[in-house]
Amino acid sequence: KQEVTQIPAALSVPEGENLVLNCSFTDSAIYNLQWFRQDPGKGLTSLLLIQSSQREQTSGRLNASLDKSSGRSTLYIAASQPGDSATYLCAVETPRGAQKLVFGQGTRLTINP
Amino acid sequence: EPEVTQTPSHQVTQMGQEVILRCVPISNHLYFYWYRQILGQKVEFLVSFYNNEISEKSEIFDDQFSVERPDGSNFTLKIRSTKLEDSAMYFCASRRTGWVPQHFGDGTRLSIL
Repeated sequence: KQEVTQIPAALSVPEGENLVLNCSFTDSAIYNLQWFRQDPGKGLTSLLLIQSSQREQTSGRLNASLDKSSGRSTLYIAASQPGDSATYLCAVETPRGAQKLVFGQGTRLTINP
Repeated sequence: EPEVTQTPSHQVTQMGQEVILRCVPISNHLYFYWYRQILGQKVEFLVSFYNNEISEKSEIFDDQFSVERPDGSNFTLKIRSTKLEDSAMYFCASRRTGWVPQHFGDGTRLSIL
């Protein structure tokens, strides 16, 4: 059964710092991996999707990498801003059946002005 | 940009009552999902729906739950006799075919009293 773990559970950094969020998964047979942002009481906003054949994806100040064989992904946020404060969720999509998402518990990020 | 919309945003119901949560997926999407997030816990897959039938369901999705796509635009989740432990945020998601992300609605917060 696929399990997804995110470390750290919470992170607080000063504005302007570059930071890395980590995600690990137990079964390397995945279809793709998505990173989401969740603001308090809100839905999930998809940030990046990495296909299983890809190594990384970039969008603006965000860069996500995928090492499928070791079951790891990282989300790199450059030049962090207070508006980046949110919970970041990693989810892997299963390759069979409905291709459902299996989520980690998230990293709660606070960027201090 | 097209969005997944969910109604209501908050539903309060007495234990034992039936509740219907509604979703309007993005119009050209073919795969539909329900997830839930109990406060402080991971987002969990409930059920997926494709071609007018359930394609996969989790162990959470027991006989008290049902889904329907009654009219080609709405996608509903019904809980027949609610329990206290059904209190959670329920998210609807949809996607097209191919290597594409799932798009999530803002969720319905369900509170069972």
